[in-house]
Amino acid sequence: GENVEQHPSTLSVQEGDSAVIKCTYSDSASNYFPWYKQELGKGPQLIIDIRSNVGEKKDQRIAVTLNKTAKHFSLHITETQPEDSAVYFCAASRAAGNKLTFGGGTRVLVKP
Amino acid sequence: GAVVSQHPSWVICKSGTSVKIECRSLDFQATTMFWYRQFPKQSLMLMATSNEGSKATYEQGVEKDKFLINHASLTLSTLTVTSAHPEDSSFYICSAYRAQGNQPQHFGDGTRLSIL
Repeated sequence: GENVEQHPSTLSVQEGDSAVIKCTYSDSASNYFPWYKQELGKGPQLIIDIRSNVGEKKDQRIAVTLNKTAKHFSLHITETQPEDSAVYFCAASRAAGNKLTFGGGTRVLVKP
Repeated sequence: GAVVSQHPSWVICKSGTSVKIECRSLDFQATTMFWYRQFPKQSLMLMATSNEGSKATYEQGVEKDKFLINHASLTLSTLTVTSAHPEDSSFYICSAYRAQGNQPQHFGDGTRLSIL
């Protein structure tokens, strides 16, 4: 089955700096890669996703890159703000409607 | 945007009782619903995949007789934890997916289950 590794497990950045989280996956048939933000006591909230026919996608301060050959994808958050502090999860699946395999999560702390 | 509602948000009960958790898609018909479990400071682990009108597909290691899943309509799936024990205490989260429009899965806000 699919295996998703996520690094780092914790990330502390100064407000205004960039944050980068990296994930690798094992199943070459995976085609859908969402990123979720989870705040304490809540369910995960989708912040951006990318499909395998695209190498990069951007939405305001958030961008995701995908290297299908190397089987890794990354989340980039620019101009970080304190409200960006949360746990971020990457995931992989064969399609948006298929079961998701999650990475281990990254706890991001943005210091004012 | 699409909203998925879970109820209850938090439940405490005695060991040996059964607990039912509801997952509703409020503004769309969900062809598939997924149930995940998340232990403190850990990631989400898929328990089962539920399609409307058919039996759920359970992941390896998940006891189907202990975690009963019913998906009777396109807007409601339920997870019943039977004869719950303290080790079943966890955060249970559902997600819902609509095939039309190739939309992403939408997650509920989870149910925190504490078994005494």
